[in-house]
Amino acid sequence: GAVVSQHPSWVICKSGTSVKIECRSLDFQATTMFWYRQFPKQSLMLMATSNEGSKATYEQGVEKDKFLINHASLTLSTLTVTSAHPEDSSFYICRQSSNTEAFFGQGTRLTVV
Amino acid sequence: AQSVTQPDIHITVSEGASLELRCNYSYGATPYLFWYVQSPGQGLQLLLKYFSGDTLVQGIKGFEAEFKRSQSSFNLRKPSVHWSDAAEYFCAVAPFGNEKLTFGTGTRLTIIP
Repeated sequence: GAVVSQHPSWVICKSGTSVKIECRSLDFQATTMFWYRQFPKQSLMLMATSNEGSKATYEQGVEKDKFLINHASLTLSTLTVTSAHPEDSSFYICRQSSNTEAFFGQGTRLTVV
Repeated sequence: AQSVTQPDIHITVSEGASLELRCNYSYGATPYLFWYVQSPGQGLQLLLKYFSGDTLVQGIKGFEAEFKRSQSSFNLRKPSVHWSDAAEYFCAVAPFGNEKLTFGTGTRLTIIP
């Protein structure tokens, strides 16, 4: 079946720097990719939906200038956390969907110090 | 808007005992329903899903779930748990297929010897 590869699995960065997270479809062309954030002991909250070749759609309360999403090809979507702050520390996870199945990346644990 | 409630934040079960995790949803029509499992620091794995048809759904790892329209519920069950079942379990709903999943807050399952 389709597999989504997400990198890095964990990253520690300094406050004020930017971090890029990649989600790559290994054998499935993902027109749509969903990005979620999960704070410790909480559920997954949808941040944005990215569509190949067009601008991402952000959920209410998510700053689009802070969380830059690029979906330039059918196999790669990226999330860049710009000017990261400690409150951005979280678990970020991507998801791609077909009509009958959804595949999650392994997730990225971001710690901003 | 759809919503999902998982009333139990944390459940402890003895190995070999039966398990039932509760999930209630709120949606105007019958949504698509899912159960996912997440091991610590990992992505999500689909256990089972319900789109239509037989209301008792069989999944992987010996799990099953029953859709009860009258109760707006989709409870997850397993007749005999194994220590490897210890994880976080999320119920999710979507209005159509796999688009825009809304997750419950999760139930953490602990298995004791």
